[in-house]
Amino acid sequence: AIQMTQSPSSLSASVGDRVTITCRASQGIRNDLGWYQQKPGKAPKLLIYAASSLQSGVPSRFSGSGSGTDFTLTISSLQPEDFATYYCLQDYNYPFTFGQGTRLEIK
Amino acid sequence: EVQLVESGGGLVQPGRSLRLSCTASGFTFGDYAMSWVRQAPGKGLEWVGFIRSKAYGGTTEYAASVKGRFTISRDDSKSIAYLQMNSLKTEDTAVYYCTRDPRNVVGVDMFDYWGQGTLVTVSS
Repeated sequence: AIQMTQSPSSLSASVGDRVTITCRASQGIRNDLGWYQQKPGKAPKLLIYAASSLQSGVPSRFSGSGSGTDFTLTISSLQPEDFATYYCLQDYNYPFTFGQGTRLEIK
Repeated sequence: EVQLVESGGGLVQPGRSLRLSCTASGFTFGDYAMSWVRQAPGKGLEWVGFIRSKAYGGTTEYAASVKGRFTISRDDSKSIAYLQMNSLKTEDTAVYYCTRDPRNVVGVDMFDYWGQGTLVTVSS
């Protein structure tokens, strides 16, 4: 199975900060990667699909990039509602695998 | 409005079975692949398995941790996806989410809609 390694596992930041989360795949996955946001007690929400496509309704401060093995999720200017846990997911082949998550906390 | 509603969770003893349902509305269910994802208490997300639409054979894929014990099926006439869980183990304790995958509609895999989740607790 493809291993997805996210970093950092946790991050403290302030409103207005620019934040980058990275995800590395154990083998090439083209651009078959999505990013999901999860708030406590809630279902995950799709932010980015196909590595860089913004899901409808998601604010433009979220962006994704990368291809092959290295991917990034960037939040250009943190808003209070962005404090959550973020997961990457490879959908290149089965079994699909998630990264371990990055918990974004308020500094 | 797209909605996915899971049901069937609860407390079950190790070794027993449980069937979860995911009732869909607001879209043409038969056109979409469906996946199940779970989350153990305080842990990250784990993909459980997937069922293709009937147009693509209705076939399934599973995570190694559940293969041979869990079975995903679908009833397009009722817009329901099922997760049959047999030989349950304590480590299967988790919130189980169903998700929609529009791969056959837009040509890209993603989990664009999620249910609210249903808690399965495996304990004696």
